[in-house]
Amino acid sequence: AQKITQTQPGMFVQEKEAVTLDCTYDTSDPSYGLFWYKQPSSGEMIFLIYQGSYDQQNATEGRYSLNFQKARKSANLVISASQLGDSAMYFCAMREQGGSEKLVFGKGTKLTVNP
Amino acid sequence: DAGVIQSPRHEVTEMGQEVTLRCKPISGHDYLFWYRQTMMRGLELLIYFNNNVPIDDSGMPEDRFSAKMPNASFSTLKIQPSEPRDSAVYFCASSRPYNEQFFGPGTRLTVL
Repeated sequence: AQKITQTQPGMFVQEKEAVTLDCTYDTSDPSYGLFWYKQPSSGEMIFLIYQGSYDQQNATEGRYSLNFQKARKSANLVISASQLGDSAMYFCAMREQGGSEKLVFGKGTKLTVNP
Repeated sequence: DAGVIQSPRHEVTEMGQEVTLRCKPISGHDYLFWYRQTMMRGLELLIYFNNNVPIDDSGMPEDRFSAKMPNASFSTLKIQPSEPRDSAVYFCASSRPYNEQFFGPGTRLTVL
């Protein structure tokens, strides 16, 4: 079974609008961390935002926020006021605790921001 | 601060040749990771080190792959002999414990 599922292979959004990228996860570990990374066409992987399973509030970093719904095992990324430079692949990843630093990545969502 | 440094950025080689990919992690990071990214399999962890010691190599595809970390500032991923199916982008990443991983720019490997 996949640990991280990103069901949207591609998404389109108009510049200046908000967009939500979906991520669901599967774990039986009560302690885990969720990450989002951005990969522009240039290829580098850029860390965006982190949510710990015990964090009481949803994480926010500038225009990025994480809609964390623990009971539903979802950790959707919300990008507000989209910019052309947001066009990229977005990957959701999970780190299960228990002493491991291993990240498991989803297949990614390709976001295109239209002018 | 310099980020994670990888070399070479691009490598084209012929089947059967030995390939060595190099990585310099961010200073002070205890963990170093090697990932492989392909269209078919996505981003997958090959191996990771903690304080230069390999911790989890379960993602290493087969004996043709080996990784070493002789000191805190250098790691290599070696493929010998290389095969066309090894063509991929190989990323190195580093982190502090329980923190986000910082990725290098990647090495695009093409095996003809």
